[in-house]
Amino acid sequence: GAGVSQTPSNKVTEKGKYVELRCDPISGHTALYWYRQSLGQGPEFLIYFQGTGAADDSGLPNDRFFAVRPEGSVSTLKIQRTERGDSAVYLCASSFLTGGADTQYFGPGTRLTVL
Amino acid sequence: GQNIDQPTEMTATEGAIVQINCTYQTSGFNGLFWYQQHAGEAPTFLSYNVLDGLEEKGRFSSFLSRSKGYSYLLLKELQMKDSASYLCAVRVVSGGSYIPTFGRGTSLIVHP
Repeated sequence: GAGVSQTPSNKVTEKGKYVELRCDPISGHTALYWYRQSLGQGPEFLIYFQGTGAADDSGLPNDRFFAVRPEGSVSTLKIQRTERGDSAVYLCASSFLTGGADTQYFGPGTRLTVL
Repeated sequence: GQNIDQPTEMTATEGAIVQINCTYQTSGFNGLFWYQQHAGEAPTFLSYNVLDGLEEKGRFSSFLSRSKGYSYLLLKELQMKDSASYLCAVRVVSGGSYIPTFGRGTSLIVHP
């Protein structure tokens, strides 16, 4: 079946602009995670959803970052007033459960570059 | 917060065995994962340990000691395609949330 997909694959924007990054999880997966990864670092947790609600958003760095998952499937990560420090690869992952041996399946990521 | 430590880089020879260590300090431990990530690609799941001991899966094995806060990933019969970054991730449970924290990854270079 289809894996996790993310669009766009690359996004170049100017400082101060607004961007939206989209994630389509694997069908039937109730949990959805957003991470960002900088070069030479591991993925850094941002937020995760269980169904439609944000179960934990403690990783969002500040209030410029926001994410939604209105119908419990597709999710959008929104970044306002982008800064150069936001440049990174944004990864989305989904899993069937959130405990036990649940395996997170990652999408290919969106490479965000803020000029 | 969580503290996860793994070596930055390792090199090994094709056909050999390599062990990648991961140490962690955390509260609310709820499992440890290993992922493989090739350059420019997404991480892919390798293994999961929640109880002490060794989990074997083909050429890859993973070990966990919760009392020592220690895990390792063992790769046997190394192949060139095993050159990648290996990420150790610790999941904690807090207030009903299951949050994974990743180490910075170990870049493994396999040479002929």
